[in-house]
Amino acid sequence: KAGVTQTPRYLIKTRGQQVTLSCSPISGHRSVSWYQQTPGQGLQFLFEYFSETQRNKGNFPGRFSGRQFSNSRSEMNVSTLELGDSALYLCASSLKARGTYGYTFGSGTRLTVV
Amino acid sequence: TQLLEQSPQFLSIQEGENLTVYCNSSSVFSSLQWYRQEPGEGPVLLVTVVTGGEVKKLKRLTFQFGDARKDSSLHITAAQPGDTGLYLCAGPYQAAGNKLTFGGGTRVLVKP
Repeated sequence: KAGVTQTPRYLIKTRGQQVTLSCSPISGHRSVSWYQQTPGQGLQFLFEYFSETQRNKGNFPGRFSGRQFSNSRSEMNVSTLELGDSALYLCASSLKARGTYGYTFGSGTRLTVV
Repeated sequence: TQLLEQSPQFLSIQEGENLTVYCNSSSVFSSLQWYRQEPGEGPVLLVTVVTGGEVKKLKRLTFQFGDARKDSSLHITAAQPGDTGLYLCAGPYQAAGNKLTFGGGTRVLVKP
């Protein structure tokens, strides 16, 4: 079956712009989580959605937002981009909420802010 | 300080050698997961351990969950270059709504 698909794979944006990243989970998976990965901070939790509801949120500013659609596809948006937002953004899906038994990750979107 | 501390941060060994990676916390976890991540890709789930004292084997990889469910280890026997990657432990942190929290990772390099 198809894995978790993230688009686009690479993105270059200018400071102050906004960006939208997309994630299509594995068919049948209703839980989608987003993570930011940087060399200095590692994998940091952004938020989790389950059946279109945000179940949990990490310690990120309000510039970071997300949503989940009825088909479980998810998007995250970052407004007013800063240089420090440059990172690999990873989406992960699981059958149940909170991924207690493990997540399947996508390949990520590499965002570079210049 | 990370909730899940991994050690060592970096390990470089020759093909055929054994290695052990550790994941420690002062908090109790209901389960712990291990992932391997290769450059430019997302982490891939290797195993989930759920019961304190549990040992799981996956070919040359052996995973152990501590009796008190605060620590875990990953042991690789006769490492191969294909084992090269970033190894991450992760667990649902109950005090934060069970959000999956990751350790800082151990970068393993297996030289041929």
